[in-house]
Amino acid sequence: GAGVSQTPSNKVTEKGKYVELRCDPISGHTALYWYRQSLGQGPEFLIYFQGTGAADDSGLPNDRFFAVRPEGSVSTLKIQRTERGDSAVYLCASSLGGAGGGSYNEQFFGPGTRLTVL
Amino acid sequence: AQSVAQPEDQVNVAEGNPLTVKCTYSVSGNPYLFWYVQYPNRGLQFLLKYITGDNLVKGSYGFEAEFNKSQTSFHLKKPSALVSDSALYFCAVREHTGRRALTFGSGTRLQVQP
Repeated sequence: GAGVSQTPSNKVTEKGKYVELRCDPISGHTALYWYRQSLGQGPEFLIYFQGTGAADDSGLPNDRFFAVRPEGSVSTLKIQRTERGDSAVYLCASSLGGAGGGSYNEQFFGPGTRLTVL
Repeated sequence: AQSVAQPEDQVNVAEGNPLTVKCTYSVSGNPYLFWYVQYPNRGLQFLLKYITGDNLVKGSYGFEAEFNKSQTSFHLKKPSALVSDSALYFCAVREHTGRRALTFGSGTRLQVQP
């Protein structure tokens, strides 16, 4: 079946511009995650949605970053006033959900969006 | 706070030989542990997970991992390496309760030589 898809695959922008990154999770997955991966590093958590609501946004680095998931499926990560330090691969993942910490389902990752801020 | 350490940036092994990729973790409670593999220009692919029960977990492509609670380790193993196993491997952890986000190690590059 279809996996997690992300668009665009590559995004080049100029410092100070606004960007939107889109994630389409696996159908039926209620949990959705955004991570950021810098060169030579493991993914770092940004935000987690359970359904439409952001259940944990503790990984967002500052208020320039924002994410939505209005209908509980597709999610958009929005970055305002981009900085060169925002350059990274942004990964989206989804999993079968379930409330509470007892859900141990693995996360399935998309191919990522490579963001380059010039 | 939870953390993962992958002490080796790179592991080199000859094709047909056994391989081990090391991972140690730190969590305040009981862990859920995962291994993912990343091929160039592709997303992370799930290999296996430890939730509870048997300490030896079997996963995709002949990989397995052993959970050792006393040593807080979750090393990835394969009895006979293939050249096609060459990739970047990530260990990840989360606690049974609390945050759902995964904490990843910095990755280990596995190079299998023919």
